[in-house]
Amino acid sequence: KQEVTQIPAALSVPEGENLVLNCSFTDSAIYNLQWFRQDPGKGLTSLLLIQSSQREQTSGRLNASLDKSSGRSTLYIAASQPGDSATYLCAVGNDYKLSFGAGTTVTVRA
Amino acid sequence: NAGVTQTPKFQVLKTGQSMTLQCAQDMNHEYMSWYRQDPGMGLRLIHYSVGAGITDQGEVPNGYNVSRSTTEDFPLRLLSAAPSQTSVYFCASSLGRASNEKLFFGSGTQLSVL
Repeated sequence: KQEVTQIPAALSVPEGENLVLNCSFTDSAIYNLQWFRQDPGKGLTSLLLIQSSQREQTSGRLNASLDKSSGRSTLYIAASQPGDSATYLCAVGNDYKLSFGAGTTVTVRA
Repeated sequence: NAGVTQTPKFQVLKTGQSMTLQCAQDMNHEYMSWYRQDPGMGLRLIHYSVGAGITDQGEVPNGYNVSRSTTEDFPLRLLSAAPSQTSVYFCASSLGRASNEKLFFGSGTQLSVL
């Protein structure tokens, strides 16, 4: 059974600092990995999708890396802003199913 | 530009009552799924569908039923509500396999079972 872990559970940084969020998974036989953002009381929004054959994916200030062999992914958010405050979840895909981590709640202090 | 629409947003049930959570998408997505989210835990897959007429169980299917008569709709039925089913429920869809495509989520239904 795939286990997905995100540490830390919560993170608080001052505005402008770079954010580093970690995700680890136990079964390296994955199709892809997705990073999601969730705002309080809202659904999830997909930020980045990395296929298993890729090492990283970039969108604006966001960069996600994937190391399948070690079962790790990292989401980097450059020059954080208060609007980046949210919960970030990673999910690994096996065929038709996604396994989610519990998320890291980020607070960016102005 | 509706995307994935879930109704209702909030619901309170008594133990033993039944109800249906509605989910509709207007993106012509083949894949639809239901997740529940509990505090401190990741989302857990309840049921999913890869097309009209095809459904399958996820990680936590007990106590829930689904059907997929059209591409657009994927309702989730609680047969006899229990307090353990108190949770936030999300419907999600994607163009193809969830493992190959970005997943689009509805805004959720917060369910309390007393």
